[in-house]
Amino acid sequence: GQNIDQPTEMTATEGAIVQINCTYQTSGFNGLFWYQQHAGEAPTFLSYNVLDGLEEKGRFSSFLSRSKGYSYLLLKELQMKDSASYLCAVRGLYSGAGSYQLTFGKGTKLSVIP
Amino acid sequence: DSGVTQTPKHLITATGQRVTLRCSPRSGDLSVYWYQQSLDQGLQFLIQYYNGEERAKGNILERFSAQQFPDLHSELNLSSLELGDSALYFCASSAGLAGGTNTGELFFGEGSRLTVL
Repeated sequence: GQNIDQPTEMTATEGAIVQINCTYQTSGFNGLFWYQQHAGEAPTFLSYNVLDGLEEKGRFSSFLSRSKGYSYLLLKELQMKDSASYLCAVRGLYSGAGSYQLTFGKGTKLSVIP
Repeated sequence: DSGVTQTPKHLITATGQRVTLRCSPRSGDLSVYWYQQSLDQGLQFLIQYYNGEERAKGNILERFSAQQFPDLHSELNLSSLELGDSALYFCASSAGLAGGTNTGELFFGEGSRLTVL
């Protein structure tokens, strides 16, 4: 099965840097995704890691360590609009399905304060 | 705009009733996924269709069913509704089957918010 853990809530100051951690257990790992979801809206894709290391995309970076089952999302120069939930999702072999599926964590609600 | 269209956006109904949620995937995407998101749970995978055929089943109740039509749009049918079925139901699409060499990211629609009273 799949198990994903991430903090429930975090608060950070505008202009600062925040790191959101995610640990996972999965069968047949085939990639880790981060999605952003504003309240009541659709999740939108932020980043994808399948190999160990850091992927940088503007103010957002994502890191993966497959041996540790660990990832983090790093947000720099925080803006008020970054207040949202950040969902860690792992693609792995889905039990009983014989296919790869995305399993989502419950999300980390980030509040950016002035 | 992800290119995935879901209707209706909001739906209020009573216990015991049946509703149908509709999803049109992004142009060219063959895979359609349905997810349920309630307040205390994350996005829960319900079911996936690929090019008209059921590909994978997740935590979908027997009272729920889905299908994908030849034009690739999909419908999720929820019957004998209970209070606990109140949730946001998201449809997502992707170009192909997850596990390929592409990122396989999912593109989500805006969701259908179901309230069961």
